[in-house]
Amino acid sequence: DAGVTQSPTHLIKTRGQQVTLRCSPKSGHDTVSWYQQALGQGPQFIFQYYEEEERQRGNFPDRFSGHQFPNYSSELNVNALLLGDSALYLCASRSGSPYGYTFGSGTRLTVV
Amino acid sequence: GQQLNQSPQSMFIQEGEDVSMNCTSSSIFNTWLWYKQDPGEGPVLLIALYKAGELTSNGRLTAQFGITRKDSFLNISASIPSDVGIYFCAGLNYGGSQGNLIFGKGTKLSVKP
Repeated sequence: DAGVTQSPTHLIKTRGQQVTLRCSPKSGHDTVSWYQQALGQGPQFIFQYYEEEERQRGNFPDRFSGHQFPNYSSELNVNALLLGDSALYLCASRSGSPYGYTFGSGTRLTVV
Repeated sequence: GQQLNQSPQSMFIQEGEDVSMNCTSSSIFNTWLWYKQDPGEGPVLLIALYKAGELTSNGRLTAQFGITRKDSFLNISASIPSDVGIYFCAGLNYGGSQGNLIFGKGTKLSVKP
């Protein structure tokens, strides 16, 4: 049983560009959350998707947007990249119980 | 964004030693969670605590949910080399279909040289 899979694993982008990160939730999970983890910090909540709608959002600008597809997979889009967007982006999925979050290994984004 | 206060930031362990770390918050949570993150991986859930005052064990790990609901601690007994990694506490308030995790900055466990 595959867990949460994220792609790509690593990505280098230039300031001002746009990026799309992808997440496939664990089988049976229908809720997907995205987190940003800067170096030496804990993960910070970006937003959560359930039933293809954004249900909750953290303190991130509108440059961060997302989508959830009917098969529960999700995308995170970041526009107008800044150097400060360099981080590990983690996807977490769950179903039903809020305690059963499973995290993916993340996408390491470097903005140069 | 909000982060919980986790201490110590780092510590060195020798095999066989007991380890303690704690987490405090200015806000109340109705759930506390402890995760471990290895290099290149996402966080993995170690222990979940659902009730104030609750003490829960998972093998050599023991965690407690503070009575004020604003703190939690994690103990690791008789540490082994594979305990090395970064430990995060996380608070959660769940309601309806929502509920997002608020993380601490982490405690990094390393092996004593």
